Amino acid sequence: KQEVTQIPAALSVPEGENLVLNCSFTDSAIYNLQWFRQDPGKGLTSLLLIQSSQREQTSGRLNASLDKSSGRSTLYIAASQPGDSATYLCAVTVTGNNRLAFGKGNQVVVIP
Amino acid sequence: SAVISQKPSRDICQRGTSLTIQCQVDSQVTMMFWYRQQPGQSLTLIATANQGSEATYESGFVIDKFPISRPNLTFSTLTVSNMSPEDSSIYLCSVELQGDYEQYFGPGTRLTVT
Repeated sequence: KQEVTQIPAALSVPEGENLVLNCSFTDSAIYNLQWFRQDPGKGLTSLLLIQSSQREQTSGRLNASLDKSSGRSTLYIAASQPGDSATYLCAVTVTGNNRLAFGKGNQVVVIP
Repeated sequence: SAVISQKPSRDICQRGTSLTIQCQVDSQVTMMFWYRQQPGQSLTLIATANQGSEATYESGFVIDKFPISRPNLTFSTLTVSNMSPEDSSIYLCSVELQGDYEQYFGPGTRLTVT
C-alpha cells in the first residue's frame, strides 16, 4: 500500500523567505505526482503535476522536483507572500489504477 | 482543465438523516471520484463513480452507507446515509480528463452532523 508522508506538518516563515516542503512516498511505481493547495474549509487547487518521467516542473514562483527512485518530491516557493498561507498537499497516482494517495499536508503560515 | 461545482457547499444535519451531494462538471469526463476529508486529516478515496454501472468502493466504504449515482458523463451524486457525528467531514468530488491523468477537484461540501 502506498504511504505518502509530508514533512514538516506545519511551519511559519517571515514574508520574503523561500519555502521548502517535502513529500516522500513508499512505492516508486507511480504514474505522476501532484501538488495541491487547500485553503481552510475549501477544496483543492492543483498547483503542479509532474509525470514519472520528469524531474521537475515550474510555474511562476513554484518549482517542484521529483526523484522517483528515492521516493521524494520537494516543492519550492520563492519569495513567500502572506497569500501563500495555506495547506499544501502532495499526492501520487499509483500506476495502473488512477487512484490518488495523499499525504497529510504541510500547513504553511507566512508572517507579514 | 475542468470547472467543477458542488451543491450544497455546506450543511448541518441531524443524526440519522441522509444528505445527497451533487457534483457537476462543465465537460464530459471519463473518471469521477468521491473523497472524504475528516477534520485534521488528509483525503481518503471513497469510491470511483462509474457511468452506467455501480460505483467501485474502496476498502472500508460500502454502498448502503454511501450510495453513488452517475447518470451521465457530467454529473454524479453521493448520498451520506443514516448520518452520525463521525460523518462530519468535507466531501469532495474530483474528475480526471481523458488521457490527462491529472485530477481536478470541486470546492467541497462541508458536512456537520449534530
